[in-house]
Amino acid sequence: GNSVTQMEGPVTLSEEAFLTINCTYTATGYPSLFWYVQYPGEGLQLLLKATKADDKGSNKGFEATYRKETTSFHLEKGSVQVSDSAVYFCATNTGGFKTIFGAGTRLFVKA
Amino acid sequence: SAVISQKPSRDICQRGTSLTIQCQVDSQVTMMFWYRQQPGQSLTLIATANQGSEATYESGFVIDKFPISRPNLTFSTLTVSNMSPEDSSIYLCSVLSGLDYEQYFGPGTRLTVT
Repeated sequence: GNSVTQMEGPVTLSEEAFLTINCTYTATGYPSLFWYVQYPGEGLQLLLKATKADDKGSNKGFEATYRKETTSFHLEKGSVQVSDSAVYFCATNTGGFKTIFGAGTRLFVKA
Repeated sequence: SAVISQKPSRDICQRGTSLTIQCQVDSQVTMMFWYRQQPGQSLTLIATANQGSEATYESGFVIDKFPISRPNLTFSTLTVSNMSPEDSSIYLCSVLSGLDYEQYFGPGTRLTVT
C-alpha cells in the first residue's frame, strides 16, 4: 500500500537558518503530494502541494519539488523564523478519498 | 477551500461517560473524515462519513465506540462512548476539497479523560 516516510524530529534551528525536512513516498499511479503544517493548538492546514513530476509547490517561503525518480518531496526554506515553529506533515493522495500522512516532524526555531 | 468549525474545542471528561463532537463545514461536501491524533503522534483515520449512509470505519475502530452521524452535507458528529484515559486525544474533522484532493481540517477537539 501507499506510505510516506519523513525525517524524525525534533529539528531545532536558529532563526535565519536553512531548513530541509526530508520526505519520501511509495504509491501506485501518479499521486498528488502535500505538505501540511500544524501550529500549536490548531488543526492541520495545507502549506503547499504538487500534482505531477517536477512540479514545485511553494508558499510562505517554503518550497518542495515533486521528484518522481527519487520518490521524494523534501520541504525547504531558506531562512526560518520563530513563527515557523510547528509540526510538518508530508502526505500523498493517489486520487482516492484516503490521504496518507507521514509521522510528522516537529520544528523548533530559536531566536 | 473549506472552513470547518468544531465544538467543543476542548473538554475534560470522566471515564465511562460519552462526549459528542460537532463538525460544521461552510460548504456542501460529500465525504467528511474523522481523525484521532494522540499526543505527539500523526493522524489516525477513524472513519469516513458520507451523507445518507453508514460511516465506514478503519481497522481498530468500531461503531459502538465511535458512533457517527451525518444528517446533511455540511454537518457531522462523532461520539466517543464509554471513555477511558486511552481516549485522551485530539479529534479532528476533515473534508476533501478541490480537484487535487487537498484536505481541510477543523481546529480539533482536545479531549482529556480522567
